[in-house]
Amino acid sequence: ETGVTQSPTHLIKTRGQQVTLRCSSQSGHNTVSWYQQALGQGPQFIFQYYREEENGRGNFPPRFSGLQFPNYSSELNVNALELEDSALYLCASSVGGTGNTIYFGEGSWLTVV
Amino acid sequence: RKEVEQDPGPFNVPEGATVAFNCTYSNSASQSFFWYRQDCRKEPKLLMSVYSSGNEDGRFTAQLNRASQYISLLIRDSKLSDSATYLCVVNGGTYKYIFGTGTRLKVLA
Repeated sequence: ETGVTQSPTHLIKTRGQQVTLRCSSQSGHNTVSWYQQALGQGPQFIFQYYREEENGRGNFPPRFSGLQFPNYSSELNVNALELEDSALYLCASSVGGTGNTIYFGEGSWLTVV
Repeated sequence: RKEVEQDPGPFNVPEGATVAFNCTYSNSASQSFFWYRQDCRKEPKLLMSVYSSGNEDGRFTAQLNRASQYISLLIRDSKLSDSATYLCVVNGGTYKYIFGTGTRLKVLA
């Protein structure tokens, strides 16, 4: 396995609520990125954290926010949940720098009702 | 035009067949290319990186054509276990990895 762990694996939230998803990166990896994958689509880049700083962001609204901790683990927070936020949320870790292979955790399935 | 485009399939092929997928990308400055495999309701897993000179890993061969801006994946002697979605991934030398929507392959007994 990749050594990237995510929690929780499945959760159901009500529209308007807030959710926090967690990720522990592979040992030795200092970069974490988050992706959203809707059914039938490829993963869409949300943002990336490198050494506790956000260093890149995709086309997602500010209600999607994150953190990276000194041990390189990370959180994804989504406020004011909308039905369209229902998706698989994937965390990927890599060694810093561009073009390196990224390794995914098993993902968190979020259903918003 | 999408940044990374793939034929969604599905490609239904018999066991033992050879099948090929293409993926086109729009950013000519893209530097790194990968194929990932994703099983139903699972996370994507790295299948292989794609190098300029092409590379092979057992029954799998990946090619890069920079002039025409596409990458390809060839699977020989298909197995039932190859049934999955194959995701093309392109990195333009930044933090952002861009995924195609994936090509579904179903290998039939």
